[in-house]
Amino acid sequence: EDQVTQSPEALRLQEGESSSLNCSYTVSGLRGLFWYRQDPGKGPEFLFTLYSAGEEKEKERLKATLTKKESFLHITAPKPEDSATYLCAVPFQAAGNKLTFGGGTRVLVKP
Amino acid sequence: NAGVTQTPKFRILKIGQSMTLQCTQDMNHNYMYWYRQDPGMGLKLIYYSVGAGITDKGEVPNGYNVSRSTTEDFPLRLELAAPSQTSVYFCASTAVGEQYFGPGTRLTVT
Repeated sequence: EDQVTQSPEALRLQEGESSSLNCSYTVSGLRGLFWYRQDPGKGPEFLFTLYSAGEEKEKERLKATLTKKESFLHITAPKPEDSATYLCAVPFQAAGNKLTFGGGTRVLVKP
Repeated sequence: NAGVTQTPKFRILKIGQSMTLQCTQDMNHNYMYWYRQDPGMGLKLIYYSVGAGITDKGEVPNGYNVSRSTTEDFPLRLELAAPSQTSVYFCASTAVGEQYFGPGTRLTVT
């Protein structure tokens, strides 16, 4: 069964304190891994897609990396506005564009 | 482009009532989805559609129905609302790859 697990569930950081979020998956034949940011009371906002092991994508203070078993979202020198829930998702094995989402990591960055 | 829009933003239902959550996208995407998100949890797929006239069940379809008569619209129908359907509902669409989400409908059933 396709499964996506995110850790930690919650992360409290001081402004400027870099850290990493983990997304591990058990899906055969990965056809992409997606990272989203979700602010309270809003819908998820697309951040990155990664397709192959070794691939990296960057956006401002965020960098996503991918291995054969997991993905990391690195937050470098975070600011309070980086506070959000970060979700990762992978496509279902046998069903085209359907996604399986992890439970998310809630990040709080304190000034 | 407005992207994906959802109405209403909030709704309170009594047990046993019915309602339709509206979703519209203006990106001409073939694929559309309905998810629910319970507090502190990830997203669970309720129903999806690969094009007008074609719908299929996701992980948690019980208590819901959908239709897709046009490319743009994908309404979600709740019949006989139950407290277990209290949640935030998100609609999403895609052409391929990443999905784009609406702002959500917060539903409370009491």
